[in-house]
Order: sequence, then C-alpha cells, then structure tokens
Amino acid sequence: QVQLQESGPGLVKPSQTLSLTCTVSGGSISSGSYYWSWIRQPAGKGLEWIGRIYTSGSTNYNPSLKSRVTISVDTSKNQFSLKLSSVTAADTAVYYCAREPYNYDILTGYSGYYFDYWGQGTLVTVSS
Amino acid sequence: QSALTQPASVSGSPGQSITISCTGTSSDVGSYNLVSWYQQHPGKAPKLMIYEGSKRPSGVSNRFSGSKSGNTASLTISGLQAEDEADYYCCSYAGSSTLFGGGTKLTVL
Repeated sequence: QVQLQESGPGLVKPSQTLSLTCTVSGGSISSGSYYWSWIRQPAGKGLEWIGRIYTSGSTNYNPSLKSRVTISVDTSKNQFSLKLSSVTAADTAVYYCAREPYNYDILTGYSGYYFDYWGQGTLVTVSS
Repeated sequence: QSALTQPASVSGSPGQSITISCTGTSSDVGSYNLVSWYQQHPGKAPKLMIYEGSKRPSGVSNRFSGSKSGNTASLTISGLQAEDEADYYCCSYAGSSTLFGGGTKLTVL
C-alpha cells in the first residue's frame, strides 16, 4: 500500500520561499508510470493543482504559479519536493502531495491523470 | 485557464439520487475523457471516487457513477446515505496542466 507524507515548516515569512518534501513509502517512486504532484487548498476554499514531476525530472506547472514554483525529485530518497518563492498570505493553505498514474498509447490516446493516493496534507501559514 | 464550474451546493434526502455537474471547455473536459471526481470530508484528504470519466476505483460503492456530454461531466450518487455528505470536486486533464472545479457541498437532508 503506497503512502505519502508531507513534511516541512508550518510557518513561512512573507517574501520567503516555502519548501515542502513528500516521502513515498510502500513502493519505489521510480516504478511504474506515475507523475508525482502537489495540490493545495486554502482554508474553506477549493483545490488548486500546483504541478507535477516525473522521475526523469520532466515537470508541468500551473500557469498561474509557474514563475514561482519548482518541483524536484530525489529517487535515492524516494522523495519529491516543492519550492514556492516570494510567498504572500495568499499562499497560506493545506498542501497535499499525490500520486498520478498516466499513460499514452498511440492507438487509444491518453489515460490516467487522476490522483489515486494522497498525503494527509500539511498546513503552511505565511505570516511575519 | 479557469477553474471548472460546479454548483456551490446540492442537497437530497436519504435514498434519493443527486447529480453534480462540472462544466469546462473544449480544451479540457471536452477534449479528453480524463475527468476524475473526489470526495472530501472535513479535515480529511480528498478521496478518488471516479476516474477517466466513469470508472470506479476498487472499494468505491457502485452508487457513484460518472458520465460526460460535450464539455460537461457529471457525478451521480444514487441511494443517498448520510455518509455521502461531503464536498465533491471534479478535475480534468487539460494538456500538460490540470484543472479542478470549485467544489460542491452535498447536504443529505
């Protein structure tokens, strides 16, 4: 059973960089056709996709956050990480990491692109 | 890119059926059969309920079903139960990006 666990500071000062790590257990982060994603949710609001990474290092980012986001992967530690720079109070949210199966077949097209395993979430507050 | 559009709230009585709509565009919902639905109870992580438009993960009740027509996807819950009361989010692949809906609060009366 795959499990994901977010870790990192719960409090970040405005203009600084938010850094979180997601540790994957119960399976190798390099096995299978999976993206590894970050999603966030401000209190009382909806989900927002931040971005995804494949173990090759290939990334996709939310266009609205792209200039401030970096997602990286460390396969030796079975971890992937999120960095969000120049944070403001608007970045205060619960941050989730998740696994995202995917596939592309020339005959059948795209499949997957859903989040089947999630971390429990970690609250990050941006405040001085 | 804009978020997918969902009704803010829906309600139903136990045993009834409800449907939650999720409207996107020809660049996301309309282009790919890659809509997923998530159930979220307060203080919990979202749970996958439907993927690839209409497929149910193992362990999800067959009371939950998904469909799509054009740029609109739908989640139907039949035989409503008290434990179905939660927030529901749709999600769609959008070509190297992913969009979520704003969420729908389901109240079981």
